[in-house]
Amino acid sequence: KNQVEQSPQSLIILEGKNCTLQCNYTVSPFSNLRWYKQDTGRGPVSLTIMTFSENTKSNGRYTATLDADTKQSSLHITASQLSDSASYICVVSPFSGGYNKLIFGAGTRLAVHP
Amino acid sequence: SQTIHQWPATLVQPVGSPLSLECTVEGTSNPNLYWYRQAAGRGLQLLFYSVGIGQISSEVPQNLSASRPQDRQFILSSKKLLLSDSGFYLCAWSVAGGPTYEQYFGPGTRLTVT
Repeated sequence: KNQVEQSPQSLIILEGKNCTLQCNYTVSPFSNLRWYKQDTGRGPVSLTIMTFSENTKSNGRYTATLDADTKQSSLHITASQLSDSASYICVVSPFSGGYNKLIFGAGTRLAVHP
Repeated sequence: SQTIHQWPATLVQPVGSPLSLECTVEGTSNPNLYWYRQAAGRGLQLLFYSVGIGQISSEVPQNLSASRPQDRQFILSSKKLLLSDSGFYLCAWSVAGGPTYEQYFGPGTRLTVT
């Protein structure tokens, strides 16, 4: 069964600190993995996308890593800001050659405190 | 540039009442359109997707239906709401003929069934 598991469920950090969010997936065959940021009450916005051949992808203070062998990904946030408070969702797309159904994780809710 | 709109932003409806949520996309033609539901602590669940006017695919059996009366308009409906229909509803679009994992989300509608 295609699944995406994220940890931790929630996280509180102080402004300026770094943090790392985890994503494990059992999706096969694998096409790509994307991290989304979702502010409360808003739609998700894409941060990074990686195919199986990519190990790391950065977007400003956000750096995603991918280990396709162990089927794990992480999202590292550097020098956190109050505006980083949001849910971060890991989304995996299986390779199907046609319609690519997205498999969503439940998300990690991050709170950055001053 | 492309934009996606959803309304209403929030809705409180009694059990047994009808529902109509609307999604429109601007700046693109013949997009693929999607309806998702996001329950608290759960990943996004795909409800319906459409590759053209009048073409609707349902992912899960439920109390809801979808219609696409115009190229860039997607409507989510119910004849009689259930308590379990409460949630955050997201509309998304992707480029026709492009990778369907490249989806762009609307701002969402928060539905509370009382």
